[in-house]
Amino acid sequence: EAGVAQSPRYKIIEKRQSVAFWCNPISGHATLYWYQQILGQGPKLLIQFQNNGVVDDSQLPKDRFSAERLKGVDSTLKIQPAKLEDSAVYLCASSLDMPGFYGYTFGSGTRLTVV
Amino acid sequence: QQQVKQSPQSLIVQKGGISIINCAYENTAFDYFPWYQQFPGKGPALLIAIRPDVSEKKEGRFTISFNKSAKQFSLHIMDSQPGDSATYFCAASASSGGYNKLIFGAGTRLAVHP
Repeated sequence: EAGVAQSPRYKIIEKRQSVAFWCNPISGHATLYWYQQILGQGPKLLIQFQNNGVVDDSQLPKDRFSAERLKGVDSTLKIQPAKLEDSAVYLCASSLDMPGFYGYTFGSGTRLTVV
Repeated sequence: QQQVKQSPQSLIVQKGGISIINCAYENTAFDYFPWYQQFPGKGPALLIAIRPDVSEKKEGRFTISFNKSAKQFSLHIMDSQPGDSATYFCAASASSGGYNKLIFGAGTRLAVHP
């Protein structure tokens, strides 16, 4: 099966600019996650979608970050305006919507550098 | 209570040796404990996982040991190879509520020297 697709792979922007990341999950995976991974740290959940509804966005900085999942498939994560501390790898992951837990599949991520 | 504490931060092992990485948690609602392996420029990939109803799970050279009473679990890599050099993350999640959110440790950078 195809993996989780993310684009772009790399992005360099100046602070206060805006940026958007795109994710296409594995076909049939109802749950989609966006994680932020700062260099040297473990991934931190930003937002979780179940189909096209948000089930957890408690750690999403909502004053600058937004995300949507259209038709329960693709998702976009936007940052506006970006800050220097937003420099990180943004990982998208998806999983089956079933009782129990079968593990996430991660994409390769988008490395964002804010200068 | 949502944290997963991982140690050591970095580990150097000789080829053929045993690599051991430890994790501890506080939230007793956690009921799924996976380990992920991440190579540079790639997303984390599921390596092995365990549920708290067993104390050990082995898959090839990789073994998870789980101590429910101590709220600790560890990854053992037997006969470590240079190709195992990567960053390893432990994680935990609680299925209650049905949302399966993974909480990750800070990671261990493993280097296996030939």
